[in-house]
Amino acid sequence: SQQGEEDPQALSIQEGENATMNCSYKTSINNLQWYRQNSGRGLVHLILIRSNEREKHSGRLRVTLDTSKKSSSLLITASRAADTASYFCATDVKGLSFGNEKLTFGTGTRLTIIP
Amino acid sequence: DSGVTQTPKHLITATGQRVTLRCSPRSGDLSVYWYQQSLDQGLQFLIQYYNGEERAKGNILERFSAQQFPDLHSELNLSSLELGDSALYFCASSVAAGSSGNTIYFGEGSWLTVV
Repeated sequence: SQQGEEDPQALSIQEGENATMNCSYKTSINNLQWYRQNSGRGLVHLILIRSNEREKHSGRLRVTLDTSKKSSSLLITASRAADTASYFCATDVKGLSFGNEKLTFGTGTRLTIIP
Repeated sequence: DSGVTQTPKHLITATGQRVTLRCSPRSGDLSVYWYQQSLDQGLQFLIQYYNGEERAKGNILERFSAQQFPDLHSELNLSSLELGDSALYFCASSVAAGSSGNTIYFGEGSWLTVV
């Protein structure tokens, strides 16, 4: 079963607009990561936020984490056609012994940027 | 280019057959992970090896097996193939034993079609 669930499943916006995707998870985590996948390609790491962090920025990306609500959001500002891809959150469960964590991916949000 | 190399890129085989997927991790990475991505199951963690030893196990079927060799490359063996095994199989690698707080780097995947 999936640890994370992204919302919405699909999102279409005009180029230049901001895109927001949400991720909810079930159990306490050490860290949460966001990955991007272009159609049929490998996943590319975007950003990692630790459980004791609330917000993190990287270029046009802004990630927030609310551990009390077990949720995270990914904001892409000033979207570009090249941002068209699927976006996944990934969590590793807190409490497992070091080295035995496994990254569990959510179901993904399919983002389409309309030129 | 993530530095993780997977072969073959595409593979078509018949039900009941056996295939081997190969992965070379990034230079210096000791951990190798295998994931399966299908439309109905999403991205599922199969198994992880660290420096030649099995480290974590996910939803890997008994018909599937993997190993990591002394040169750190890994192979995923899929036997008695069924139509439902058709999927994109990803290999990923990381420096550390665990995925917690560590970026894992994905290969471009091996497309397996079972007919």
